[in-house]
Amino acid sequence: DVKVTQSSRYLVKRTGEKVFLECVQDMDHENMFWYRQDPGLGLRLIYFSYDVKMKEKGDIPEGYSVSREKKERFSLILESASTNQTSMYLCASSSAGQHTDTQYFGPGTRLTVL
Amino acid sequence: ILNVEQSPQSLHVQEGDSTNFTCSFPSSNFYALHWYRWETAKSPEALFVMTLNGDEKKKGRISATLNTKEGYSYLYIKGSQPEDSATYLCASLRGANNLFFGTGTRLTVIP
Repeated sequence: DVKVTQSSRYLVKRTGEKVFLECVQDMDHENMFWYRQDPGLGLRLIYFSYDVKMKEKGDIPEGYSVSREKKERFSLILESASTNQTSMYLCASSSAGQHTDTQYFGPGTRLTVL
Repeated sequence: ILNVEQSPQSLHVQEGDSTNFTCSFPSSNFYALHWYRWETAKSPEALFVMTLNGDEKKKGRISATLNTKEGYSYLYIKGSQPEDSATYLCASLRGANNLFFGTGTRLTVIP
């Protein structure tokens, strides 16, 4: 059974804190993605990675960075959290190369920045 | 169409009713169209991936059609059940692996 796990379901942080959101997949997928979801907006891509140590900016990378040191793990970093980063964050993974490959999602982390 | 758009935004139906909703997407440079179901407190789950114009896919009581020339896909649910209550997301594949999502249709099935 495929699995994408995220380190926390709920997280509350203060403005200015450094925040790490962790994502682990057990499917040996090459591709991993970080999205955020806000009311009235679709899932928006923050960053993605095609391979270990590779990263690409998505549509809304400002204020975020990522790290992929191992194939199974993709971390999203908020260097200095701000209230406008309060959101639901979803991680996903997929195998490489085929247009028909679906993305497998984690359960999400609801982050509140006070 | 420049973005992926879904309608309606939300929908309430009675148990047993059939329903359908729409996903519109850019028809140029089309690669694939994905449908996901996202139940509250769970992970989004893939329903269908469609690539060919005229494609029809079915999974139990749920089916989908695809028109790549005009840039739309319909999702149909026959005989809705309360467990069908969820947000249904469509996403257009752009480039090699990146999905561009619509805002979703939130379906509530009333027992």
